[in-house]
Amino acid sequence: DAGITQSPRYKITETGRQVTLMCHQTWSHSYMFWYRQDLGHGLRLIYYSAAADITDKGEVPDGYVVSRSKTENFPLTLESATRSQTSVYFCASSHTETQYFGPGTRLLVL
Amino acid sequence: GENVEQHPSTLSVQEGDSAVIKCTYSDSASNYFPWYKQELGKRPQLIIDIRSNVGEKKDQRIAVTLNKTAKHFSLHITETQPEDSAVYFCAVSTSGTYKYIFGTGTRLKVLA
Repeated sequence: DAGITQSPRYKITETGRQVTLMCHQTWSHSYMFWYRQDLGHGLRLIYYSAAADITDKGEVPDGYVVSRSKTENFPLTLESATRSQTSVYFCASSHTETQYFGPGTRLLVL
Repeated sequence: GENVEQHPSTLSVQEGDSAVIKCTYSDSASNYFPWYKQELGKRPQLIIDIRSNVGEKKDQRIAVTLNKTAKHFSLHITETQPEDSAVYFCAVSTSGTYKYIFGTGTRLKVLA
């Protein structure tokens, strides 16, 4: 578990601001994923990446941007934060089917 | 697209009793079915998984069964203990994508 980290762990921002959540893994896993977790919805996939420079949309991509210039990093950017993006964000990585999750970032948009 | 339904949403059992959580899915091409346990304020952690070429898998007190024809799979926890109290999520993945679609979770409470 220590192989995948997220920062910051907690973030408070205001509507309209840009926010970037960081995800770093030390396993050299090819696949990386971003989920948001909201009560009643479970975990929903925002974006995923199969390798460096390869990204694709998940179930709920609107309002988010990702990049993956290096295998170990997969930042998630909220270009103009909205209150509906208040959530807990989890990053995950995998080499095969099994995904390993980071500790999460709790984001509050005021 | 794939749809995953998970039931029940909450489950209370007495310590020592068994607990069963069921998930149904819609895409017959789905071939990997993991179960995650999430304690309060923590990350989801894999507890058991099963692939579509297997009907049942067991790991100590935890087992998963898969019925491909009916498109459902279940988590079975026997001899429940207070530390089993958590939220459990099922997920479904399709070959080659490694993406998951999660169920909405089951909050299990084991009463001492």
